[in-house]
Amino acid sequence: AQSVTQLDSHVSVSEGTPVLLRCNYSSSYSPSLFWYVQHPNKGLQLLLKYTSAATLVKGINGFEAEFKKSETSFHLTKPSAHMSDAAEYFCVVSLNYGGATNKLIFGTGTLLAVQP
Amino acid sequence: NAGVTQTPKFQVLKTGQSMTLQCAQDMNHEYMSWYRQDPGMGLRLIHYSVGAGITDQGEVPNGYNVSRSTTEDFPLRLLSAAPSQTSVYFCASSYIEADPYGYTFGSGTRLTVV
Repeated sequence: AQSVTQLDSHVSVSEGTPVLLRCNYSSSYSPSLFWYVQHPNKGLQLLLKYTSAATLVKGINGFEAEFKKSETSFHLTKPSAHMSDAAEYFCVVSLNYGGATNKLIFGTGTLLAVQP
Repeated sequence: NAGVTQTPKFQVLKTGQSMTLQCAQDMNHEYMSWYRQDPGMGLRLIHYSVGAGITDQGEVPNGYNVSRSTTEDFPLRLLSAAPSQTSVYFCASSYIEADPYGYTFGSGTRLTVV
C-alpha cells in the first residue's frame, strides 16, 4: 500500500530560526512527491515537487526539500522562518506505474506557527 | 485570471437538502477532481474525471454524484445532505491524472450541514 506520513501535526518556531517539517512515504514504485501550502481560508498552493530528477528540490519562498530514498523521506526545510510562513503544509505522493496513473495521496498536514 | 473557480465559497444546508458545488477551470485540463478536507485527515478524494464524459469514484464517494459534460466544468452534487458532509471541499485540476507538475486547486467551498 502507498501512504504518506507527516510526523508532526503542529510545529512552532521563532521568526528567523530554521524550519523542518517531516514527511515519510511508503511506496513500491518510484514516486513523485510534492509539498503544498495552505494559508488560512485559502486553497492549496504548490510549494515544490520531486519527479526523479535532482534529489534536492528548491521551491518558492525559500523552501527546499530533499528526497532520500534510503530513508523514504521528503522533509521540507527553510533556513529562516518568516511570519508569512505560518500556514498548514501538506506532503503529497503521486505514484507512476510505468506510465499508468494514480491519484494523489495526502498527508494529514502540519500546522506551522511562527512566533515573533 | 486563469485557474480553478469554485462557487459558492460558503453554504449552510439543512439535513436532507440537495445542492450542487460548482467547479470550473479555463486551463484546458483533462483531469479534474473533488476532495474534502476534514481536521486531522488531510484531503480525501471524492470523485475524479480524466476527461469529458468519464468519471470515477475516489476514496469517499458515498453521498456525492458528479458528471463531466464539458472539459471546463465538474460539478459535485449532494443529493440529500447529512451532517457528516460538513467539510471544506476543494476542486483540483491538472493536464493529466498523475501530473508531475502538480494540481491547481480552487479556493474551496466551506459547507455546513445542520
